[in-house]
Amino acid sequence: DAGVIQSPRHEVTEMGQEVTLRCKPISGHNSLFWYRQTMMRGLELLIYFNNNVPIDDSGMPEDRFSAKMPNASFSTLKIQPSEPRDSAVYFCASRGDAFEQFFGPGTRLTVL
Amino acid sequence: EDQVTQSPEALRLQEGESSSLNCSYTVSGLRGLFWYRQDPGKGPEFLFTLYSAGEEKEKERLKATLTKKESFLHITAPKPEDSATYLCAVQKSGNTPLVFGKGTRLSVIA
Repeated sequence: DAGVIQSPRHEVTEMGQEVTLRCKPISGHNSLFWYRQTMMRGLELLIYFNNNVPIDDSGMPEDRFSAKMPNASFSTLKIQPSEPRDSAVYFCASRGDAFEQFFGPGTRLTVL
Repeated sequence: EDQVTQSPEALRLQEGESSSLNCSYTVSGLRGLFWYRQDPGKGPEFLFTLYSAGEEKEKERLKATLTKKESFLHITAPKPEDSATYLCAVQKSGNTPLVFGKGTRLSVIA
């Protein structure tokens, strides 16, 4: 199993540009989570899906952030327009019937 | 509100110097407590799940324990390769996401 796959691994963009982060969960997992990690705030849950349906998006900081999961093997997190304070590492994680969540390698986003 | 507090924030040990990391939590209806290891530039890597007070789990030099209010990650005779950030997380009843602490940065010096 390849584990959770995220792309790109690094993204540098300018303020105001649209950013799209991608995630492929582990095959067979039915829950998917998007987290943001910063030194100040640690790991913060942004949104999670069960069976492709968004369950809780209360962690999404602003309307500039949106997430979709069109099928069981793909999810996107979009920021439009991006701002410097969005700079962070964004992680995707998935979970199957067991309790453990497995994380991807993350996308390091820098907004200039 | 569910909370997870880890201490210390950072810990520096000499190789072979055993110690413990603490994770205290307040959550209604604990379903499980999780320990992860995170290396720089990587995603958190799952280590252990503990489900009930009194439970213990071991992996190499690491042993995790759980009480009704806190968990400890004991590191016995650590090596430099144990250097990482160790994250604790809890899950409450139901199909809910994990709530993470801010982690303990462990440095083991040869």
